Amino acid sequence: DQQVKQNSPSLSVQEGRISILNCDYTNSMFDYFLWYKKYPAEGPTFLISISSIKDKNEDGRFTVFLNKSAKHLSLHIVPSQPGDSAVYFCAASVYNQGGKLIFGQGTELSVKP
Amino acid sequence: DAGVIQSPRHEVTEMGQEVTLRCKPISGHNSLFWYRQTMMRGLELLIYFNNNVPIDDSGMPEDRFSAKMPNASFSTLKIQPSEPRDSAVYFCASRSTGVSFNQPQHFGDGTRLSIL
Repeated sequence: DQQVKQNSPSLSVQEGRISILNCDYTNSMFDYFLWYKKYPAEGPTFLISISSIKDKNEDGRFTVFLNKSAKHLSLHIVPSQPGDSAVYFCAASVYNQGGKLIFGQGTELSVKP
Repeated sequence: DAGVIQSPRHEVTEMGQEVTLRCKPISGHNSLFWYRQTMMRGLELLIYFNNNVPIDDSGMPEDRFSAKMPNASFSTLKIQPSEPRDSAVYFCASRSTGVSFNQPQHFGDGTRLSIL
């Protein structure tokens, strides 16, 4: 049972345009959500997070939106750069479960010059 | 600052052999996590420790897998005996709960394990 789902395995975007990566979850107990970026042969790198008490968090070119009623979150990258090409993982956790993360399957973003 | 350090980066061994993966968490971090990444199952949590104590090992696939954290700066994941289906990338991550329980985990670069 996949509690965190990223339905798009890949996404291709032109440099300078917006990249939108989507993530859906089924467990209403999740209250903390994170996005990680992963390059080949490296570990996932933390990008941005959001608590369930917020609906938006912004850090530079990266913004995460949370829609609790739809159990949906998205990551916006504006403007997209070729260096953003990587696999992006959405993850979720429940506060009182010690930080245990449940990951989505990942979306491979390709930003073309 | 040094990140999470895993060793070895690559391991190739024959079925039936014992495999030991090692992890040094970020200094000061009090939680440590072991994950496995495969094409079929993605990134899945195997076990995690808080303050060196195993809290949840429900993700450990079989008794052939064991993990220890003898002190705050070292953890091992052992597979004995190893099988070809154990081939995967194994990641270690650590985090500090600090003043907020919602803190991100920081990952090492993983160990790519191949069992022949």
